[in-house]
Amino acid sequence: NAGVMQNPRHLVRRRGQEARLRCSPMKGHSHVYWYRQLPEEGLKFMVYLQKENIIDESGMPKERFSAEFPKEGPSILRIQQVVRGDSAAYFCASSPPGEVKNIQYFGAGTRLSVL
Amino acid sequence: DQQVKQNSPSLSVQEGRISILNCDYTNSMFDYFLWYKKYPAEGPTFLISISSIKDKNEDGRFTVFLNKSAKHLSLHIVPSQPGDSAVYFCAASKRGGNEKLTFGTGTRLTIIP
Repeated sequence: NAGVMQNPRHLVRRRGQEARLRCSPMKGHSHVYWYRQLPEEGLKFMVYLQKENIIDESGMPKERFSAEFPKEGPSILRIQQVVRGDSAAYFCASSPPGEVKNIQYFGAGTRLSVL
Repeated sequence: DQQVKQNSPSLSVQEGRISILNCDYTNSMFDYFLWYKKYPAEGPTFLISISSIKDKNEDGRFTVFLNKSAKHLSLHIVPSQPGDSAVYFCAASKRGGNEKLTFGTGTRLTIIP
């Protein structure tokens, strides 16, 4: 049973370009979460999605960032017009429906570097 | 506002001894607490969790203790092994299921052979 798959593992973008990060949850998991980790910091929640719905985007910056989890295909975190401060590790996690203990399973992350 | 705090950025422990990692929280709405382990260039891996209705949960070499009145939890690893060297994150969530996690800043544990 494959775990949470994220790609690409590393992404280099110049300022002003767009970054697209992909996440395929574990089989049977319909809940996807995105977190961002800045250097020497903990993971910070960004957004929580179910298929075709954004449930909680309270941690997502209001501008330039968007997320989707379509009926078919992976979840996408999109960052438009990237700036140097967007350089971070972005982690995706998934959980099955009805996960009362709130245990989430993480992918290996995408490391975004903005030049 | 850091709602989950891990005040020790690093900890070194001799192999075979006990490792104790600490975590404090401020939000009384938190209901579940989890510990994750993270190796460099990998994602966090779930270790052990505890519900607020318990004060102790044990799984092999790992035990988590919760003191609700003090808003404090700790992870004990006995005996410590070289493979335990990693960054450990404490996380908390509110009641309800499929809730987001609030993480501490992590403690880097180094096991000295």
